[in-house]
Amino acid sequence: QVLLVESRGGLVKPGGSLRLSCAASGFTFSDYYMSWIRQAPGKGLEWVSYISHTGGAVYYADSVKGRFTISRDNAKNSLYLQMNSLRAEDTAVYYCATHSSGWPTPIDYWDQGTLVTVSS
Amino acid sequence: SYVLTQPPSVSVSPGKTASITCEGINIGTKSVHWYQQRSGQAPVVVIFYDRDRPSGIPERFSGSNSGNTATLTISGVEAGDGADYFCQVWDSGSDHWVFGGGTKLTVL
Repeated sequence: QVLLVESRGGLVKPGGSLRLSCAASGFTFSDYYMSWIRQAPGKGLEWVSYISHTGGAVYYADSVKGRFTISRDNAKNSLYLQMNSLRAEDTAVYYCATHSSGWPTPIDYWDQGTLVTVSS
Repeated sequence: SYVLTQPPSVSVSPGKTASITCEGINIGTKSVHWYQQRSGQAPVVVIFYDRDRPSGIPERFSGSNSGNTATLTISGVEAGDGADYFCQVWDSGSDHWVFGGGTKLTVL
């Protein structure tokens, strides 16, 4: 079955950096677009970034553009989110998610999420 | 950027019908997906492409989309349907995914 296992988040100081990774299994990872979505405590869902199946096309929310970088390694069945210049407002549970076949398509699977806290 | 507006909360008695709206300019020209998020859990898609149900989602869940409003309808509401519901679209104008603010469904 589809399994998405995300690296642990953690506490980061404002201005700091953190890299999230998401290991995928149970499906042909290289065939599917992937997203990162976040949810601030007690708030709604916010789409962060989206990457094509080859990694050749990437998209970012305005709130993270220029600070976050999405990437993937299809040989390792892994998705990444490099987060730089972190701010307090980036504090959230971050979800790795896989979309249905094609583009743009709904999200089929989500991982359980990991909490990233940005605080001094 | 494209904005989706949902009511913050909807309350319904067990066995009744709940309707959750998602408003956006000309949303009827876009494909709308709906996600259910129970407390402490990851979201799950309950309706995709306006009105299609994934396998495993009860027939009680249905969707529609026209004009400036998409609607998720849950008939014969059960206690377990109490959750947050989010609508989502792809905005081709900005190449962004957009989520609505979410609606908390309370089963009385």
